[in-house]
Amino acid sequence: QVQLVESGGGSITPGGSLRVSCAASGFSFSDHYMSWIRQAPGKGLDWVSYISPTGSDTRYSDSVKGRFTISRDNARNSLYLQMNSLRAEDTAVYYCAKGHHEMDITGRGTTVIVSS
Amino acid sequence: EIVLTQSPGTLSLSPGERATLSCRASQSVNNYLAWYQQKPGQAPRLLIFSASWRATAISDRFSGSGFGTDFTLTISRLEPEDFAVYYCQQYGSSPYGFGQGTKLEIK
Repeated sequence: QVQLVESGGGSITPGGSLRVSCAASGFSFSDHYMSWIRQAPGKGLDWVSYISPTGSDTRYSDSVKGRFTISRDNARNSLYLQMNSLRAEDTAVYYCAKGHHEMDITGRGTTVIVSS
Repeated sequence: EIVLTQSPGTLSLSPGERATLSCRASQSVNNYLAWYQQKPGQAPRLLIFSASWRATAISDRFSGSGFGTDFTLTISRLEPEDFAVYYCQQYGSSPYGFGQGTKLEIK
């Protein structure tokens, strides 16, 4: 069945870097836009970024632009989010999602904690 | 940047009642609006896209309406599993964003 599994979360100090990954299965990954959304503890959903099927088109929220980079490896059915210059306010569960408009499949998320 | 405002913040109803949730955009998003349901500890689940189209396997008790700046999610007869947080999301203009959510709780 269609599945997205995130990994790579953890605890990191402010200013540090982390890369989270998403493994896709059950659908033709290379045909679809993919997105990252996040949710801070006790807060609502926050759109982060999306990437086109070939990787040629990427967009970011203003809060992460210049610090985060989305990428994909279609041969490995994998999506990535490289996060640099991390801040306390980046602490959240990061979800990988299929699609960039409506997101019809979402993974279970990976937790990133930024704290000194 | 388009801002989505959901109302009410919390809605207290009983099973069997009808729920009406609102989402208002700061400028027109045409029909580029989706609704999601999220239960505690779970990922969000797509309910409605393009303002009024039900996603795969979503019960027909859920319906969406609206165009432009004003949208509504209606749940016709509440079941116990419907009590959750609901978010609207616009994709008419980047950066795409979510409303702050409406918590639907059991009265």
